[in-house]
Amino acid sequence: AQSVTQLGSHVSVSEGALVLLRCNYSSSVPPYLFWYVQYPNQGLQLLLKYTTGATLVKGINGFEAEFKKSETSFHLTKPSAHMSDAAEYFCAVRGSSGGYQKVTFGIGTKLQVIP
Amino acid sequence: KAGVTQTPRYLIKTRGQQVTLSCSPISGHRSVSWYQQTPGQGLQFLFEYFSETQRNKGNFPGRFSGRQFSNSRSEMNVSTLELGDSALYLCASSYRPGSDTEAFFGQGTRLTVV
Repeated sequence: AQSVTQLGSHVSVSEGALVLLRCNYSSSVPPYLFWYVQYPNQGLQLLLKYTTGATLVKGINGFEAEFKKSETSFHLTKPSAHMSDAAEYFCAVRGSSGGYQKVTFGIGTKLQVIP
Repeated sequence: KAGVTQTPRYLIKTRGQQVTLSCSPISGHRSVSWYQQTPGQGLQFLFEYFSETQRNKGNFPGRFSGRQFSNSRSEMNVSTLELGDSALYLCASSYRPGSDTEAFFGQGTRLTVV
């Protein structure tokens, strides 16, 4: 079975500070990993994804994430937070489960940016 | 090109009723997935359709069903509504099923059961 754990349901950072949102996963097969962002009353927008190849993945809006197999982690970072980054962020893993492709999302982390 | 369109955006139903939600995927996308989002449970996968066939199913009771039409549009139906079915229902489309394919989400339908 696959699962995703997002550490910290709420994270607050000051504008201009480093953003670090943590995600750990478990998967019995090589995973495909995703980070999505959700603004209020909106659907999810893909920030970035890891499938194969380079373990450091760059996404939109200055975000990046590093796949660390040994730590089963896929943490999301951004060097300098902007007010517009305030949103909810979801880590997701997609892999095979029982012969089917299945996507499992983390519970989400709400990011607050303090001016 | 147009994104994923979900209708209606908001819906209020009474316990025991049934409801049908609609999702029109991005043009050219043939895979549609449905998710339920609630504050307590987060995002939970309902089912995935590709070429009018259900390819994948989550752990939801049989009251939740879906279908996909030949134009890739999908509908989700919930019968005998319960208060706990109140949620944001999200639809996502992708070109095809597969671990590495990007899914594009609609804005969702917010269902309130009273």
